[in-house]
Amino acid sequence: GEDVEQSLFLSVREGDSSVINCTYTDSSSTYLYWYKQEPGAGLQLLTYIFSNMDMKQDQRLTVLLNKKDKHLSLRIADTQTGDSAIYFCAEDGSSYKLIFGSGTRLLVRP
Amino acid sequence: DTGVSQNPRHKITKRGQNVTFRCDPISEHNRLYWYRQTLGQGPEFLTYFQNEAQLEKSRLLSDRFSAERPKGSFSTLEIQRTEQGDSAMYLCASSPRAAGFNNEQFFGPGTRLTVL
Repeated sequence: GEDVEQSLFLSVREGDSSVINCTYTDSSSTYLYWYKQEPGAGLQLLTYIFSNMDMKQDQRLTVLLNKKDKHLSLRIADTQTGDSAIYFCAEDGSSYKLIFGSGTRLLVRP
Repeated sequence: DTGVSQNPRHKITKRGQNVTFRCDPISEHNRLYWYRQTLGQGPEFLTYFQNEAQLEKSRLLSDRFSAERPKGSFSTLEIQRTEQGDSAMYLCASSPRAAGFNNEQFFGPGTRLTVL
């Protein structure tokens, strides 16, 4: 079946790096996504990675994909207080719909 | 174009009443999705349109729920005889790509439904 799991909470100090982890189950996923949700707002697409890639870097964001272990991570360099939000990973599985994890709440301490 | 818009942003209703939400996707996006998000959870897929055709419905979409996209542009989601368990954030997303390409979905701000 399709299932995406994430740790619930991460707290880091401003300026440090944050690493948010995700595991998924559907090996047929073509793309994997990271979304950010701030309080009371919709989801903002941060980045995505094609399943045949191992790594993708986009400014402060680095996505690592281990397809063998079905493990995805998002690293945020030089984390800022404005990065405090809930981060969701999602897979597209074998359909057009996205399957989301429960989200990781990132708290950035000054 | 400023992105996906949803109306209303908030809706409070009494149990048993009907409610209807509207989603306006990004212009020329041919795919439109509805998701539901409850507190502390990620969005869960409800249904998907390609142009005006409803191509997939989740088992979460009971017979009290109906969605339409009559002209392939905006979409409506109606919930009949609302129940307290329907209280959630209803999110709409749209995507520009045809099959086989990145299914990058752009989300609206959501409609928060509270059923009393």
